[in-house]
Parts: sequence; C-alpha cells; structure tokens
Amino acid sequence: AQSVTQLGSHVSVSEGALVLLRCNYSSSVPPYLFWYVQYPNQGLQLLLKYTSAATLVKGINGFEAEFKKSETSFHLTKPSAHMSDAAEYFCAVSDQGAQKLVFGQGTRLTINP
Amino acid sequence: DTGVSQDPRHKITKRGQNVTFRCDPISEHNRLYWYRQTLGQGPEFLTYFQNEAQLEKSRLLSDRFSAERPKGSFSTLEIQRTEQGDSAMYLCASSSSIGQVVYEQYFGPGTRLTVT
Repeated sequence: AQSVTQLGSHVSVSEGALVLLRCNYSSSVPPYLFWYVQYPNQGLQLLLKYTSAATLVKGINGFEAEFKKSETSFHLTKPSAHMSDAAEYFCAVSDQGAQKLVFGQGTRLTINP
Repeated sequence: DTGVSQDPRHKITKRGQNVTFRCDPISEHNRLYWYRQTLGQGPEFLTYFQNEAQLEKSRLLSDRFSAERPKGSFSTLEIQRTEQGDSAMYLCASSSSIGQVVYEQYFGPGTRLTVT
C-alpha cells in the first residue's frame, strides 16, 4: 500500500521568503510522485511530477522538488514567495501502472505581506 | 483542449434523494478517474475507467454509488439514497495511457454536493 504524509497542515511565510512544504511517502514499489495546487472552490492543478528520471524536478510558477529515496521525501520549494502562491498544496504518490493517486492531507500556504 | 469539465458545479439535495454527476474528460484521454474530497482533507480515490471498462473500485464506493462510462467518453457518477456523510466535493480527472506508460492526471473543477 502507498501513503503520503505532509508535515504541517498550515505554513505561513512572508512575501519574498523561501517556501518549503514537506512530503514523505511510503511505497513498496518505485513511486511516481506529484505536487498539486488547489485554489478555493477549484480543482487541482499539477505543479510538477517525478517519474524516475531526474531527481530534481522543476515545475510551474517557480516551484521545484527533489526526490530523495534514502529519506523517502519529496519536499516542495520555491526561493521567493509571491502573494499569488497562497493556496492548498497536495502531495500525491502512485505506482507506475494504474496511476491511481494517493494524496496527503494537504498544506495550506499563507503569504504575509 | 478545453480541459476536464464537470456538471453541475454545485448540488444541494435532501437526504434520501438520488443525484447524478457528469464528467467530460479531455477528448483524447482514455482514462477517467473519480475522487471524493471532504473538507480539510486530500482527495480520495473512488474508481477509474480505461475506455469504457471500469478497472478498479475503492472500498469507499458503497453499493449506493455507481459509475459508468458507456462509450468511453463522458462518465456519470450516481449516488442513490444520499446520506449527510456523502456531502463532499466530487472530482473527476482524466489522463492518457499508451502501452505501459500512463501520463499525468488533469482535474476538473469538481461538483460540490451538499446533503441536507
């Protein structure tokens, strides 16, 4: 079975500061890993994905994530936060076959002016 | 590419009534997924189709829930005899698969169900 743990249900940073959202996964098979963003009353938008190629993955809106197998982690970072980054962020894992996604609980990111 | 669309966006119903939601995937995508998201939680997988075949159902999908994708295009999710615990956002996603390769899922805006 696969699972995801997102550490911190709420993260608050100042505009221009580093954003770090933590995700740890559990998987008995080589995983595919994803970060999605959700704005209020909207669906999920894919930020980036890891599918067993490069371990440092760059996504949209300046976000990136690094796959660390030894730590079973896939943390999301952005060097400089922008007000428009305020949203709910979800980490998800799947196997390489069905690609049924297993999501974490989510982290709400707040940006302070 | 118009994206994944869902209808209705909001549905309010009384306990015991039946409801049906529709999802139109991205046209060239052969896989279609349904998820349920309750307040403050991440989405949970319900079921998925490859073309018209329903290949997997979650234990969350009780016998009051049924999903179809009759011609491998749009899909419907029906909930019979709704209960207050069914109140949630129902999300649809689609993706393409070619051979062993399955590509990322694109989500629709969701249908928010409120059972009173």
